[in-house]
Amino acid sequence: NAGVTQTPKFQVLKTGQSMTLQCAQDMNHNSMYWYRQDPGMGLRLIYYSASEGTTDKGEVPNGYNVSRLNKREFSLRLESAAPSQTSVYFCASMTNTGELFFGEGSRLTVL
Amino acid sequence: LAKTTQPISMDSYEGQEVNITCSHNNIATNDYITWYQQFPSQGPRFIIQGYKTKVTNEVASLFIPADRKSSTLSLPRVSLSDTAVYYCLVENDYKLSFGAGTTVTVRA
Repeated sequence: NAGVTQTPKFQVLKTGQSMTLQCAQDMNHNSMYWYRQDPGMGLRLIYYSASEGTTDKGEVPNGYNVSRLNKREFSLRLESAAPSQTSVYFCASMTNTGELFFGEGSRLTVL
Repeated sequence: LAKTTQPISMDSYEGQEVNITCSHNNIATNDYITWYQQFPSQGPRFIIQGYKTKVTNEVASLFIPADRKSSTLSLPRVSLSDTAVYYCLVENDYKLSFGAGTTVTVRA
C-alpha cells in the first residue's frame, strides 16, 4: 500500500518553463489537495478537489492549474514558472472522516 | 474558515508532558478540531481529531472545553523524536488550511 505518491521528487526549472507535478493515491479517497510550503512557513493550500470531476481554488492558486484526471490522480501544472514558485509541494488525499494523508513532497527550484 | 492561533514555539525536556493550546474563537457548530505533526522534509502526519470533551489515542490526548473556543494537545513524556511542528486545524469542509504551527523542541 503506497499511500500518496508524488513525482518528481526534485526538479529544477528555468524561469518561464512549464512542468506538471503528478500525484496518485491508492486509498480510494474522494478528496485530494495540493499545498506549497516555503522555508520556515506553514502549508498554504493551492487547489483542492473535493471529488472526481471537481476542482476549487485554495489560498494561493495564481500561477497554477490542476487536473483531477480520475479518482486516483490529481496533477498540478505550472505554465510559466517564476522564482517565487520555488517551494516544496505536497499532495494529500483525505478520508471521509477528515484525515489527510500526505505524500513525501516535491522540491521545486525555479532559477 | 475558523481562524486558529497557536504559540510559535515551545521548548521541553525529555520525559516531560507538553501541552499546546490552540485558540479558535469563531469555531462553527459543525467544525472538528484536528492536529497534525510535521518533521523536517516530510509531509504532515495526522495525530488526533476531536469534536468535544476529551479524546485519547496511543500518542496524544486532545482536550476540548465545553465552549470549544480552544483546544489543547497533550503529548505525554516526550522524547527527542517528538521535536516537530504541530498544526491545529478547525474545519468542517474541504478547504483545509494550515496556520504557521507550533515548533516544539525537545532537549535531552
